[in-house]
Amino acid sequence: ETGVTQTPRHLVMGMTNKKSLKCEQHLGHNAMYWYKQSAKKPLELMFVYSLEERVENNSVPSRFSPECPNSSHLFLHLHTLQPEDSALYLCASSQDVRPQTSTDTQYFGPGTRLTVL
Amino acid sequence: DAKTTQPTSMDCAEGRAANLPCNHSTISGNEYVYWYRQIHSQGPQYIIHGLKNNETNEMASLIITEDRKSSTLILPHATLRDTAVYYCIVRVYNQGGKLIFGQGTELSVKP
Repeated sequence: ETGVTQTPRHLVMGMTNKKSLKCEQHLGHNAMYWYKQSAKKPLELMFVYSLEERVENNSVPSRFSPECPNSSHLFLHLHTLQPEDSALYLCASSQDVRPQTSTDTQYFGPGTRLTVL
Repeated sequence: DAKTTQPTSMDCAEGRAANLPCNHSTISGNEYVYWYRQIHSQGPQYIIHGLKNNETNEMASLIITEDRKSSTLILPHATLRDTAVYYCIVRVYNQGGKLIFGQGTELSVKP
């Protein structure tokens, strides 16, 4: 248990559906992240939020829309996805985007396994 | 961040020590070595980190060579639940941003 929860754990959706992934952190952190992990590939950073403000967007298609209503919650809204978007979506948090100590590293949730049909 | 090199896979007998090497020959003086692991289809889990001294916590030990060009993560008594992909990451902690995960080492602990 890392203090970062994600729901749902598994999601199957059609290409015309709209769904949302939810992440919640109970660590009092100020920074939150979305990563994508496709099969047999390294993690890819998608978005970074610091105190509810998006600070990084790594050329992610607009069919992925993040939302950070407060520093404890992060959402990823999905619409008109493609089958190649099927992957494990991971949320992480850290105390700050620019850590002040070496112990301030990122802690990950269990992920949402997304399948797009 | 400096590049790291790890073996693709390793086997370890249950109850024995698992020694996972990482090469980071281009590491700079202010870069730390972090280790994470990822059990199948779960999120990465932080294990340990260090700068130049050896470190130990409840999960593992980290041995960093004197020249800091390589390190070894030691799981002293591996169990079947330690089967996972282990990632060695080198970074300057206060530059923030993403963690760069490579391919890691797939450790299989066998009965």
